[in-house]
Amino acid sequence: AQTVTQSQPEMSVQEAETVTLSCTYDTSENNYYLFWYKQPPSRQMILVIRQEAYKQQNATENRFSVNFQKAAKSFSLKISDSQLGDTAMYFCAFMKQLGGGSEKLVFGKGTKLTVNP
Amino acid sequence: SAVISQKPSRDICQRGTSLTIQCQVDSQVTMMFWYRQQPGQSLTLIATANQGSEATYESGFVIDKFPISRPNLTFSTLTVSNMSPEDSSIYLCSGRQGAYTEAFFGQGTRLTVV
Repeated sequence: AQTVTQSQPEMSVQEAETVTLSCTYDTSENNYYLFWYKQPPSRQMILVIRQEAYKQQNATENRFSVNFQKAAKSFSLKISDSQLGDTAMYFCAFMKQLGGGSEKLVFGKGTKLTVNP
Repeated sequence: SAVISQKPSRDICQRGTSLTIQCQVDSQVTMMFWYRQQPGQSLTLIATANQGSEATYESGFVIDKFPISRPNLTFSTLTVSNMSPEDSSIYLCSGRQGAYTEAFFGQGTRLTVV
């Protein structure tokens, strides 16, 4: 079974600075997808960024980028120019490529990020 | 991505009663899922809601406790039956519009059982 590990339960960063959240996963699959989701106090889960395992290029979405190391099974999230609105729980998630839409997400335990003014 | 409207957003219920949570999607989705999230914890998948057939439950979750309906491709309900304080949690529904697509979520229902 796949597992996702987020080793940092809590982190903090000053506004405008850069922070990196760690995520490692364990799988024997070669084709899969990785995601970072953000959950602010409103409880709404919001997709931050997605990475396909077959792509060597790291995904980027504005201030958010990932460092995807497939051999090391590592998928860290870098947030640049941190903003107060980035304060949230961040979950790393893995999805095996099964086909047919039956794929399930496996979530890590989350990292609580606080951006300080 | 599509938008899911989930209700109620929160409720306080007496033990022994049941609560039905509804999720309405603004477009057709292939898959719908129900999750439970204990306070400060990660998401645990309860079941996959199958359109027109019985839901597929994960280990540790049973239909008698968490009956699920999905009458069409835009709507699903989760009932938490015969509630106890241990059922106090956040319940989230999720949908996907096809294979290899990311999941999107409802706003969650915060349930407190007293």
